[in-house]
Amino acid sequence: EVQLVESGGGLVQPGGSLRLSCAASGFTFSSYWMSWVRQAPGKGLEWVANIKQDGSEKYYVDSVKGRFTISRDNAKNSLYLQMNSLRAEDTAVYYCARDRRGGYNPVFDYWGQGTLVTVSS
Amino acid sequence: QSALTQPASVSGSPGQSITISCTGTSSDVGGYNYVSWYQQHPGKAPKLMIYDVSNRPSGVSNRFSGSKSGNTASLTISGLQAEDEADYYCSSYTSSSTSVVFGGGTKLTVL
Repeated sequence: EVQLVESGGGLVQPGGSLRLSCAASGFTFSSYWMSWVRQAPGKGLEWVANIKQDGSEKYYVDSVKGRFTISRDNAKNSLYLQMNSLRAEDTAVYYCARDRRGGYNPVFDYWGQGTLVTVSS
Repeated sequence: QSALTQPASVSGSPGQSITISCTGTSSDVGGYNYVSWYQQHPGKAPKLMIYDVSNRPSGVSNRFSGSKSGNTASLTISGLQAEDEADYYCSSYTSSSTSVVFGGGTKLTVL
């Protein structure tokens, strides 16, 4: 059974940093692109970033470029999102998702339960 | 404002069929066969229901089907069941920002 478990969310002040983690199991992690998708409270979904199987390609939504960094450790079956210079508008539940296609055209076939990031003073 | 336009809500009675629309432009829905649909129950993670306009992942009921005409994609649910009550989001590749964009979501109520 595919499982994705996010962690690392919490309350952070504007301008602060946070690192999210996603532990994957139940599939060959190193064979799939992986993505982060977020959902602001009461709002819709927004793709944030994705990363190729070997980490050689990474793509980001414009609003997080230069502030967020996606990475992975295939030996640990783990996906990460380093978030710097956080803004109030980054407040959201962040989902880790397996990406069955990758690149600029991801399709998210499995999702974790999400971790809440709140940016507030 | 979302890049793709969905109705805020739709409703239907058990056993009926409903259709949720997702309207974009020639730069996204109309230009590519890369529309996906996700179901999200309250407080839960989204679930992929349809990808590439009309393909169903393994395990998704055949009561769910997708189609596209011009700049509008549609998700049809036949034989409505109480468990289908959820939010539904469409997404599409967009060449305007070379990424994926989502619709604002549609709340389906089963009466």
